[in-house]
Amino acid sequence: DQQVKQNSPSLSVQEGRISILNCDYTNSMFDYFLWYKKYPAEGPTFLISISSIKDKNEDGRFTVFLNKSAKHLSLHIVPSQPGDSAVYFCAAAKEIRGSSNTGKLIFGQGTTLQVKP
Amino acid sequence: GAVVSQHPSRVICKSGTSVKIECRSLDFQATTMFWYRQFPKQSLMLMATSNEGSKATYEQGVEKDKFLINHASLTLSTLTVTSAHPEDSSFYICSARSRPGEKETQYFGPGTRLLVL
Repeated sequence: DQQVKQNSPSLSVQEGRISILNCDYTNSMFDYFLWYKKYPAEGPTFLISISSIKDKNEDGRFTVFLNKSAKHLSLHIVPSQPGDSAVYFCAAAKEIRGSSNTGKLIFGQGTTLQVKP
Repeated sequence: GAVVSQHPSRVICKSGTSVKIECRSLDFQATTMFWYRQFPKQSLMLMATSNEGSKATYEQGVEKDKFLINHASLTLSTLTVTSAHPEDSSFYICSARSRPGEKETQYFGPGTRLLVL
């Protein structure tokens, strides 16, 4: 049961243009979402997050949009740079108070972004 | 951001041996650490949640007797793959978070590549 889905395995954009990575989720209990960037043979690096009480969060070139009714979030990178080429994972979490599983992340399958010079 | 290290970065072992992987939070105390594994071109799959001073919580389908987790201190968690077999070959990644009950970002280690011959 894939609770977090990234339906596009890959995306290619030209340097300077906008990259839009999409993510869908099925569990309405998720209330916190994150995007990670990962290079081969390395651990993921945190990029940006958003709480379910917001619909947008911006940090420099990265903006995450959340549409709760559609259970959809997206990551916008603008302008895209060649150094942004990596695998991007979205992740979702649900906070369960008093549980030792607080903060457990469920990851999507990842989208490989290639930014061409 | 916070730094999480893993050791070793790569290990090759014979079938039937046990392998220990260490995960350390270098500049913060991690009350909770998570262990993931990633197969090629697939998502990160959570194996278990490790809380300092208590037993780990394993995800469904993960054998707790095969993947032994010890979180003996606030800066160290270890994963031991006991009697490793070729199907255990994978990329193992740990993450750490510092404050329970908060929507804190998880910081990931660089990962450990395990190859069982």
